[in-house]
Amino acid sequence: DTAVSQTPKYLVTQMGNDKSIKCEQNLGHDTMYWYKQDSKKFLKIMFSYNNKELIINETVPNRFSPKSPDKAHLNLHINSLELGDSAVYFCASSRGTGTRQYFGPGTRLTVT
Amino acid sequence: DQQVKQNSPSLSVQEGRISILNCDYTNSMFDYFLWYKKYPAEGPTFLISISSIKDKNEDGRFTVFLNKSAKHLSLHIVPSQPGDSAVYFCAVFLSGTYKYIFGTGTRLKVLA
Repeated sequence: DTAVSQTPKYLVTQMGNDKSIKCEQNLGHDTMYWYKQDSKKFLKIMFSYNNKELIINETVPNRFSPKSPDKAHLNLHINSLELGDSAVYFCASSRGTGTRQYFGPGTRLTVT
Repeated sequence: DQQVKQNSPSLSVQEGRISILNCDYTNSMFDYFLWYKKYPAEGPTFLISISSIKDKNEDGRFTVFLNKSAKHLSLHIVPSQPGDSAVYFCAVFLSGTYKYIFGTGTRLKVLA
């Protein structure tokens, strides 16, 4: 039973399109995150949600909008996709903070 | 401005020997430290962690050492096995925030 799942695993789209990535966790955690791993392999936090409320927004362009319909889901919607958005996006969850995080398998986004 | 650095991008070790992975950080206020392992096309998985009140934590073949005065963290794997071949990320956390900061990663290759 997958703890943190993401869909889709691969996403190829053209510049200017709008796309969404979905994330679900079945661990009962109250905190969820989105990370971006760029071409240099840096893993950088984008957003953090605690109990469906946005806690961290790390100077991410406002074309990126996270949405948490409930504590088990944190979706990422991206408007007007740009070439520089090509990366692997990871969702993660944790029980509170200062504890281990559980990561999803990643979504590789390619913008052409 | 990289607050967490893993200065060795890659490391090769013979099977059965010790692997030592290093991580340096800049902010002495960080108080929780973690190591993750990442295989290709998968999300990072938690390995081991340590809080700032300790200087050593062991879990089977994995030991994490924390040198607060040097702001240095290391992961020892003994004995190394071919299945340990992966990218290893250190991460730091500051209590009172929801933010984990990841290092740049070290690719470990264990030679049979």
